[in-house]
Amino acid sequence: AQSVTQPDIHITVSEGASLELRCNYSYGATPYLFWYVQSPGQGLQLLLKYFSGDTLVQGIKGFEAEFKRSQSSFNLRKPSVHWSDAAEYFCAVTDSWGKFQFGAGTQVVVTP
Amino acid sequence: GAVVSQHPSRVICKSGTSVKIECRSLDFQATTMFWYRQFPKKSLMLMATSNEGSKATYEQGVEKDKFLINHASLTLSTLTVTSAHPEDSSFYICSARGDRDTDTQYFGPGTRLTVL
Repeated sequence: AQSVTQPDIHITVSEGASLELRCNYSYGATPYLFWYVQSPGQGLQLLLKYFSGDTLVQGIKGFEAEFKRSQSSFNLRKPSVHWSDAAEYFCAVTDSWGKFQFGAGTQVVVTP
Repeated sequence: GAVVSQHPSRVICKSGTSVKIECRSLDFQATTMFWYRQFPKKSLMLMATSNEGSKATYEQGVEKDKFLINHASLTLSTLTVTSAHPEDSSFYICSARGDRDTDTQYFGPGTRLTVL
């Protein structure tokens, strides 16, 4: 069965600094990987996804993620964070039936 | 495109009553919809998967008689929490998967249920 691990429960970053959120997955086949963002009391918004092809994926809001098969990782990055990026971020992998497995989430706090 | 709505956004009810939550895909046909439950500061827990016109498939540990799911059309799925109790209080989120972009789920804004 597939699984997703987000090692960092909480990250604090200064506004304007770079951000990297870690995600490791366990899946037998080539995974479909996603990053979602959730603001307080809201649903999830898709940031980006990886199915195949170029391992560096560009998403919305200036985010990108890199798929590294050798490390079973799909880390999310942003070069310069904005205060509005404060939110909960979820990494997810889907199986062949389309059923999602979410990581535990990483809470991002942005300080002035 | 790919907008999913939920109604209501918040609901407070008395213990023992039933509550219905609607999930709609506004600009696409959703062949499959998913219902999740999210506890405070926790990840999403999949409750059930519903395909239009067929019975929902529930995850292990989810009571199908308590959480009734109906997916009567390609744009609407409903979750009814029957005989709600305080422990059912939670944030319920639906997602929908369309007939064209079948590998991606689009999420609704969620419904905060509080049972007194």
